[in-house]
Amino acid sequence: DAKTTQPNSMESNEEEPVHLPCNHSTISGTDYIHWYRQLPSQGPEYVIHGLTSNVNNRMASLAIAEDRKSSTLILHRATLRDAAVYYCILRVINQAGTALIFGKGTTLSVSS
Amino acid sequence: NAGVTQTPKFRVLKTGQSMTLLCAQDMNHEYMYWYRQDPGMGLRLIHYSVGEGTTAKGEVPDGYNVSRLKKQNFLLGLESAAPSQTSVYFCASSDWTLEQYFGPGTRLTVT
Repeated sequence: DAKTTQPNSMESNEEEPVHLPCNHSTISGTDYIHWYRQLPSQGPEYVIHGLTSNVNNRMASLAIAEDRKSSTLILHRATLRDAAVYYCILRVINQAGTALIFGKGTTLSVSS
Repeated sequence: NAGVTQTPKFRVLKTGQSMTLLCAQDMNHEYMYWYRQDPGMGLRLIHYSVGEGTTAKGEVPDGYNVSRLKKQNFLLGLESAAPSQTSVYFCASSDWTLEQYFGPGTRLTVT
């Protein structure tokens, strides 16, 4: 199974941009890169996903390296509500179906 | 739409007791999942289903059974609860895009 590597924690100040890195050097050509986040005492929440091209939505941007071995989730202006655990996940395809494998993620702290 | 709902929200079991966790979704999703999350850990996949009547094992399936008799429901059973199964259990559903929608979780304590 393809694996991802993320820093355990990162800190940011409110109103500043945040770049959350993820390494996935064993990614295969058909694996999508997904990002989820989990606020304290809540279930995870979908953020964004992509395959090869950079992606933008109302929550964040996803920048994917040309060789696809790494990606960066960009929060353009961090708010206190963005303090959460962020998970970078590769979509794994097998014979029985599809599933997402979560790792430990990056804990983002945001200070005012 | 209610999205993904889980029943119950909290439960305390004694070792050896059995119980069933119910997950329901109203988004007509094909895929459904059960995860567990231990303190300070990421989510680990227990079982999942790619359609009504089908189930598959995830990372940590031992000690659990599942059933998907109806498309909108995914049941997780513990036949003989153990303290190691104390955890928060999350259910999720998705369509073919795999954008997963999660329920609020069930906090289970086994004493």
